[in-house]
Amino acid sequence: DQQVKQNSPSLSVQEGRISILNCDYTNSMFDYFLWYKKYPAEGPTFLISISSIKDKNEDGRFTVFLNKSAKHLSLHIVPSQPGDSAVYFCAATGDFGNEKLTFGTGTRLTIIP
Amino acid sequence: GAVVSQHPSRVICKSGTSVKIECRSLDFQATTMFWYRQFPKQSLMLMATSNEGSKATYEQGVEKDKFLINHASLTLSTLTVTSAHPEDSSFYICSASRLRSNQPQHFGDGTRLSIL
Repeated sequence: DQQVKQNSPSLSVQEGRISILNCDYTNSMFDYFLWYKKYPAEGPTFLISISSIKDKNEDGRFTVFLNKSAKHLSLHIVPSQPGDSAVYFCAATGDFGNEKLTFGTGTRLTIIP
Repeated sequence: GAVVSQHPSRVICKSGTSVKIECRSLDFQATTMFWYRQFPKQSLMLMATSNEGSKATYEQGVEKDKFLINHASLTLSTLTVTSAHPEDSSFYICSASRLRSNQPQHFGDGTRLSIL
């Protein structure tokens, strides 16, 4: 039972353009949603998060949008840079920092120079 | 920022060997540590939650006698894969969080375990 889904296994975007990564979830008990970036043979690195009481959170080039009614969130990266090429995981939890994370299957983002 | 160190980064060993993986929080006290497993091109799946000074809580389907977890101090948790077999080959990652913090979990760099 995949409670967090990332339906696009890969995405290619031209450098300088906007990258949009999508994530859907089924469990309405999730209170926090996080995006992690992962390079091969390394652990995930935290990027940005959003609480379920918000619909948008922005940090520099990264913005996360949450649509609770649709159980959908997205990560926007603008402008996209070559260093953004990595696998991006969305994750959900009921307690920020202290409870287990339920991860999506990841989206491999490739930024084309 | 917070750093989590995981050691070793890669292990190759024969079937039947027991392998110990260490997870350390370097600059904060981690009351809770998590152990995840990732198969190729798949998601990170939680194996167990490790609380300092108490028994680990295992996810459904994870054999606690196979994957021994010890969290003896606030900065160290260990995962021991006992009598490892080829099907145990995987990427194991730990993460750590500070009690009642508003900080996200911080992950180690993972351990690639290959059982021959």
